[in-house]
Amino acid sequence: QKEVEQDPGPLSVPEGAIVSLNCTYSNSAFQYFMWYRQYSRKGPELLMYTYSSGNKEDGRFTAQVDKSSKYISLFIRDSQPSDSATYLCAMSAGNQGGKLIFGQGTELSVKP
Amino acid sequence: GAGVSQSPSNKVTEKGKDVELRCDPISGHTALYWYRQSLGQGLEFLIYFQGNSAPDKSGLPSDRFSAERTGGSVSTLTIQRTQQEDSAVYLCASSLAVPGLEAPYNEQFFGPGTRLTVL
Repeated sequence: QKEVEQDPGPLSVPEGAIVSLNCTYSNSAFQYFMWYRQYSRKGPELLMYTYSSGNKEDGRFTAQVDKSSKYISLFIRDSQPSDSATYLCAMSAGNQGGKLIFGQGTELSVKP
Repeated sequence: GAGVSQSPSNKVTEKGKDVELRCDPISGHTALYWYRQSLGQGLEFLIYFQGNSAPDKSGLPSDRFSAERTGGSVSTLTIQRTQQEDSAVYLCASSLAVPGLEAPYNEQFFGPGTRLTVL
């Protein structure tokens, strides 16, 4: 079993929909939780990060971490065609030089 | 400013040949990471450099894989006697890292990757 599990999708939604992306994990040492966005043939770029449990909001994006359930989420409000990409969750224990453990990535398509 | 660059962008090689992949990190970034992204496996950590030393090589899949970093800057990932299962996108990332401190997360900036195909 992988340390981080993420539904690979693909996920297709109409423009304006609310998108919910999720990951579960098994390693209780994880303290840093990230969401990366990756466009086709590009490297991943950091979208949001959260330290420990809680919520964080940035524009149309909200990240949630529930350490008691070992579950993290990313919500995208008013989704746009430009949001079409692969979304990867990533986690770090913070004491291993910053090594990131990634989920498999969810491919999202937002249709106009 | 310039981001992380990788070369070549694409590499096609025959099974059994050796390949070298290069990463130029962002200037001043002391930490450098190699990851591999393949279908079905997602993005997997390979090795981490702090300066020129590699405190964590735990992700290298076999002794055919090696990496070095010189001058605290450029890094080269070498795969010897390539196999078809080595086909993947190899991604490099760099970050500002403050060793020895419980620092806040230091963002890893990724390069565009090298797409390796082993025939």
